[in-house]
Amino acid sequence: NAGVTQTPKFRVLKTGQSMTLLCAQDMNHEYMYWYRQDPGMGLRLIHYSVGEGTTAKGEVPDGYNVSRLKKQNFLLGLESAAPSQTSVYFCASSYLEREKLFFGSGTQLSVL
Amino acid sequence: AQSVTQPDIHITVSEGASLELRCNYSYGATPYLFWYVQSPGQGLQLLLKYFSGDTLVQGIKGFEAEFKRSQSSFNLRKPSVHWSDAAEYFCAVGPGSARQLTFGSGTQLTVLP
Repeated sequence: NAGVTQTPKFRVLKTGQSMTLLCAQDMNHEYMYWYRQDPGMGLRLIHYSVGEGTTAKGEVPDGYNVSRLKKQNFLLGLESAAPSQTSVYFCASSYLEREKLFFGSGTQLSVL
Repeated sequence: AQSVTQPDIHITVSEGASLELRCNYSYGATPYLFWYVQSPGQGLQLLLKYFSGDTLVQGIKGFEAEFKRSQSSFNLRKPSVHWSDAAEYFCAVGPGSARQLTFGSGTQLTVLP
């Protein structure tokens, strides 16, 4: 009963490096989301997907790219990491757009 | 624009005491309101939600929340707190679509033995 799984859980990058965060869900959900969580702020939506092969920008998309080649996976990429991207990243999914969100346990990313 | 304010950054209560976490929102129409809980090292979990109907909603783990339109509030309550309730709590508001959800900045709850 995995639900939403994020890998890796922790990562340290140097400025300018690239990386990909993987989100996998086994609930056959159509909708998937990437959020970032910063101290003193609520979650902010980076990108989302309403189905396999689709992606769209959220509130704070700059510096990130995403892909949803398979329904169960939603990848978040940082092409050239910046210190401002130091954050905790959460993936979430839902079956329908108005249904509750299921969250992964997060990825702590530090960019030095 | 919609917004959510959680006025209390940190609250400390003793185990067995009652709890109320405040949430105030700004939204132009009837909102969809949510409370999520984030336990240490975990993702967020939905506690309860309000879409319409009865303004007092019951959630999981013994929590409830009351929607007060006149006060633009959706406060979370629990009559008797357990040590396992120590976590961060987030209020969220939106028109129903997750992609348009706005989260508050959270309230950290500490439970004393």
